[in-house]
Amino acid sequence: DTGVSQDPRHKITKRGQNVTFRCDPISEHNRLYWYRQTLGQGPEFLTYFQNEAQLETSRLLSDRFSAERPKGSFSTLEIQRTEQGDSAMYLCASSTRLSGANVLTFGAGSRLTVL
Amino acid sequence: GNSVTQMEGPVTLSEEAFLTINCTYTATGYPSLFWYVQYPGEGLQLLLKATKADDKGSNKGFEATYRKETTSFHLEKGSVQVSDSAVYFCALILFSGGYNKLIFGAGTRLAVHP
Repeated sequence: DTGVSQDPRHKITKRGQNVTFRCDPISEHNRLYWYRQTLGQGPEFLTYFQNEAQLETSRLLSDRFSAERPKGSFSTLEIQRTEQGDSAMYLCASSTRLSGANVLTFGAGSRLTVL
Repeated sequence: GNSVTQMEGPVTLSEEAFLTINCTYTATGYPSLFWYVQYPGEGLQLLLKATKADDKGSNKGFEATYRKETTSFHLEKGSVQVSDSAVYFCALILFSGGYNKLIFGAGTRLAVHP
């Protein structure tokens, strides 16, 4: 078990470009979450998957954001036409009811800088 | 709404000093409460948790007691070390539509000097 992996760790892009982040959860975890953390703030919930189904999305997530988890394993978060306000750390977490659904295991995050 | 409020940082202490980081919450129902820690360059790690009133969570010398009457979950440690320098997040979890959603405070940065 290597924990939750996120890739890339850092991404610098120009405004207007598209970016995609990948999250590989702990293999037996069926629940996957995306959070966004801006400087000096706590993480904010973006979206949640149970297996391949996306069950909730925050109002924070504009229509430029899309997340997928096609086979119920890894997930991707895509941001289209990036804006400077999208600069943040994007965190992925996973959990499972069997090992204590209240405990989320977080990845190290993907830091996005939009110039 | 549901929210978590933490004391603002940074908190700067000398090694072996006593630490308190205040956390209060507002929630409908009966949430579970957590402290997560984020070391430089690393992801959030669960430090401790409490699932019901008067529960005390503890780990690595840190403690926090779930106080329903004051809606608080203050983090304490009797003697901090330089290696405790990190950002600490208080959080609550609510069951929403059959799953769990973590709500975080803004975080409190702790700097411990030798």
